[in-house]
Amino acid sequence: GESVGLHLPTLSVQEGDNSIINCAYSNSASDYFIWYKQESGKGPQFIIDIRSNMDKRQGQRVTVLLNKTVKHLSLQIAATQPGDSAVYFCAENISYNNNDMRFGAGTRLTVKP
Amino acid sequence: SAVISQKPSRDICQRGTSLTIQCQVDSQVTMMFWYRQQPGQSLTLIATANQGSEATYESGFVIDKFPISRPNLTFSTLTVSNMSPEDSSIYLCSAGRGETQYFGPGTRLLVL
Repeated sequence: GESVGLHLPTLSVQEGDNSIINCAYSNSASDYFIWYKQESGKGPQFIIDIRSNMDKRQGQRVTVLLNKTVKHLSLQIAATQPGDSAVYFCAENISYNNNDMRFGAGTRLTVKP
Repeated sequence: SAVISQKPSRDICQRGTSLTIQCQVDSQVTMMFWYRQQPGQSLTLIATANQGSEATYESGFVIDKFPISRPNLTFSTLTVSNMSPEDSSIYLCSAGRGETQYFGPGTRLLVL
């Protein structure tokens, strides 16, 4: 079946560098995407979302890019901090007018001091 | 957003017993969801719980093993029945708000 997946399972970056986490999706009908951050021992936390009629959306230190042509989603974190160390999941809304979502495999980001 | 709490936060249980996990949302929501997350893995949807109707289970999950209640718009429970060590996992509830889901902190279950 169609699914959401990630290119990289782990990512290690130096504090202060920029981080890029990638996600590939295969459901061309999905029109809404979310990035979640999950710290150790906690539930996933909403970071940023983007609709399919956009190709870029910026938040505080985070930017999500959507390339519908190649079905690719990325999360960019500027000036990565130790507090950014977590597992990051992309998720796609597979059912319009519904909260039904499917999650990618996740990428573990480790920030080195 | 939505603030979601879960009880218990963790438990250690004997095989063959059952555990009921509670999920409380700070405001009314139509849809609530239950997920399982194995250590180091992604989230797997168990079922969707809508108030006033039977829960909808995903493939591989059945009501006899994971009965769900949804008595009102702010509360849901998930029971893990007749537990085995393979049920050791993190169980997460979430609430739908708009097109987004907001998650509780999870219940960490260890079955011996």
